[in-house]
Amino acid sequence: DAMVIQNPRYQVTQFGKPVTLSCSQTLNHNVMYWYQQKSSQAPKLLFHYYDKDFNNEADTPDNFQSRRPNTSFCFLDIRSPGLGDAAMYLCATSIRVLYEQYFGPGTRLTVT
Amino acid sequence: AQSVTQLGSHVSVSEGALVLLRCNYSSSVPPYLFWYVQYPNQGLQLLLKYTSAATLVKGINGFEAEFKKSETSFHLTKPSAHMSDAAEYFCAVSPKGEKLVFGKGTKLTVNP
Repeated sequence: DAMVIQNPRYQVTQFGKPVTLSCSQTLNHNVMYWYQQKSSQAPKLLFHYYDKDFNNEADTPDNFQSRRPNTSFCFLDIRSPGLGDAAMYLCATSIRVLYEQYFGPGTRLTVT
Repeated sequence: AQSVTQLGSHVSVSEGALVLLRCNYSSSVPPYLFWYVQYPNQGLQLLLKYTSAATLVKGINGFEAEFKKSETSFHLTKPSAHMSDAAEYFCAVSPKGEKLVFGKGTKLTVNP
């Protein structure tokens, strides 16, 4: 089945230690998104790629970076995780920006 | 700015009872509207979408929603709740050509 895959599902990192979260998709969608979701809150968009074009949200901290080496993969890099970055990170894809989004299962990040 | 209001952060129903989750949006133009469901420690799954076709939209798992432009509402309903419906539900709006804006979510509890 076509899907959005996120690895790992659970990630523990230390305060200040860089961490990379991975997302891959078999849907061949043009757009890939990264969201941060804290407990009992709605997902918050960090950035998205439309093909190779990177679109950062104005309030996304510089600590968060992303890479999309090809259509299938997208990575979220957190350069120096703080305790406040502990959250669920969701990857999503869509054919175009205005179409429905398909979400992966998420990676739950713990910062110790 | 576009916004979504979900009335009631928690809704509790008995098994077999009607489920009604409320969503109101603000938009200067008719938007695209979505309902997503999120089970614990999972990503978001699309339940249904409105994209300016029929105003009554049927989705998966027996859910449906009705777009009412005069009321700027897109409430989610299901005639008979199942225990497996217990989850968090997010309403989202996408003004055409723009990114998704999520409501704060409604947590549905189904009592036996």
